[in-house]
Amino acid sequence: DAMVIQNPRYQVTQFGKPVTLSCSQTLNHNVMYWYQQKSSQAPKLLFHYYDKDFNNEADTPDNFQSRRPNTSFCFLDIRSPGLGDAAMYLCATSRGGTNTEAFFGQGTRLTVV
Amino acid sequence: AQSVTQLGSHVSVSEGALVLLRCNYSSSVPPYLFWYVQYPNQGLQLLLKYTTGATLVKGINGFEAEFKKSETSFHLTKPSAHMSDAAEYFCAVSVGSARQLTFGSGTQLTVLP
Repeated sequence: DAMVIQNPRYQVTQFGKPVTLSCSQTLNHNVMYWYQQKSSQAPKLLFHYYDKDFNNEADTPDNFQSRRPNTSFCFLDIRSPGLGDAAMYLCATSRGGTNTEAFFGQGTRLTVV
Repeated sequence: AQSVTQLGSHVSVSEGALVLLRCNYSSSVPPYLFWYVQYPNQGLQLLLKYTTGATLVKGINGFEAEFKKSETSFHLTKPSAHMSDAAEYFCAVSVGSARQLTFGSGTQLTVLP
């Protein structure tokens, strides 16, 4: 029944060691988003894909990259994680256009040691 | 540009009492407005949305919200709180063809027995 699936749910990585978080969807939605949510804060959009078009938020650090090899999958790559990158990372999807809402995955909680 | 302000980062109510969570928005175009709920270490679940049409919208779990353009508000209410309503609630506005979300800072709802 799961529609937006994030793996893993919990990820521990070492300071400076590249890490990849994954997201898959069964909804065939056009848009996939990555949000970062730090403790007790609101989710903040990092970037999104509308089909194959990549859209980066202006204040997203270069340390964060994303790939979308096909409609179903989207990856978040953190090239050199710092302690400040510890957060919950939320993937979401939507059809895009009017009258649509975003569907969220369960999130991946990233710990940097 | 768009923004969302949630008044009250923490709200406590007694079980059975009225729940009122406040949200005001700012948007240069007609907004789409959403309320999401987040339980600890989980993703976000949509409670309800306003896009066009009827200004009083009903959502899941007995929640409803009223879009008031003159007051730029979209407050969330529930007539009778249940213990299971204890969670973090986020108001959000979406714009653009990709409908990316801008969230308020969140309100933590505590339900007292």
